[in-house]
Amino acid sequence: QKEVEQNSGPLSVPEGAIASLNCTYSDRGSQSFFWYRQYSGKSPELIMSIYSNGDKEDGRFTAQLNKASQYVSLLIRDSQPSDSATYLCAVSGGYNFNKFYFGSGTKLNVKP
Amino acid sequence: DAGVIQSPRHEVTEMGQEVTLRCKPISGHDYLFWYRQTMMRGLELLIYFNNNVPIDDSGMPEDRFSAKMPNASFSTLKIQPSEPRDSAVYFCASSLGSQGQFFGPGTRLTVL
Repeated sequence: QKEVEQNSGPLSVPEGAIASLNCTYSDRGSQSFFWYRQYSGKSPELIMSIYSNGDKEDGRFTAQLNKASQYVSLLIRDSQPSDSATYLCAVSGGYNFNKFYFGSGTKLNVKP
Repeated sequence: DAGVIQSPRHEVTEMGQEVTLRCKPISGHDYLFWYRQTMMRGLELLIYFNNNVPIDDSGMPEDRFSAKMPNASFSTLKIQPSEPRDSAVYFCASSLGSQGQFFGPGTRLTVL
C-alpha cells in the first residue's frame, strides 16, 4: 500500500465550476499536509498547507482535512483554465515529520 | 527573495560519465531535500539533510549516487557512473523545520 493515494485523473471541469481533488494517506501519525501544483515541465509549487482537522481557505482554494478518515481534499472554486495542472498531495511522516510522502498527482483540466 | 537555485538546468551525458548536480537552498532554511521525478515512478525522495547533516538516504538508488552538503548554502548530488535509467528530472527543495518544502526549477538529466 502506498503511503499517499490520489486518483490520477484526468479530472475535467468547465470554467467557473468547483474542482474537487482528493487524497488518502496511510500513516495515522501524520501531522502536516500540503498541496502542490505542478505545471507541465515545471517544478512543484506549494499552494496550501493544513495541520488540523477542518477547512482552511486561501482565496479560491480550500483545503479540508479529516484525520479520522485519513483524507485530505482540495477545492478550487471558480476554476480557471490557468488552474489546469497536476496537483500533488504531500503528507509528512508520522515518525519523521520532515519527511514528506507525495502522491502520484491528479491531472486537472479546466475547459474554457 | 531568491528561491532554490539549481544548476545546470539541463544535462546531457553519455553512459559511464560522472554527473554533478548543484543546489543552493533558500537562505535560512535548515532542511534540504533531493528528489527525482519520472513518469513511471513519480516524485521520489532520494536523500535529505538537516543543518548540513544527512538524515535519511534510504531513497538513494545505489552506490553510484552520492550527495554532500559542505555548508548551509550548497549541496551536490553526484552520479558516477551514470546509466540511461538515471534519466529523470532531479529537484532540490528546502524548508524551514517541518513547514512546506520549496522546490527549485530542477535539472533535466538525459543519459545516452
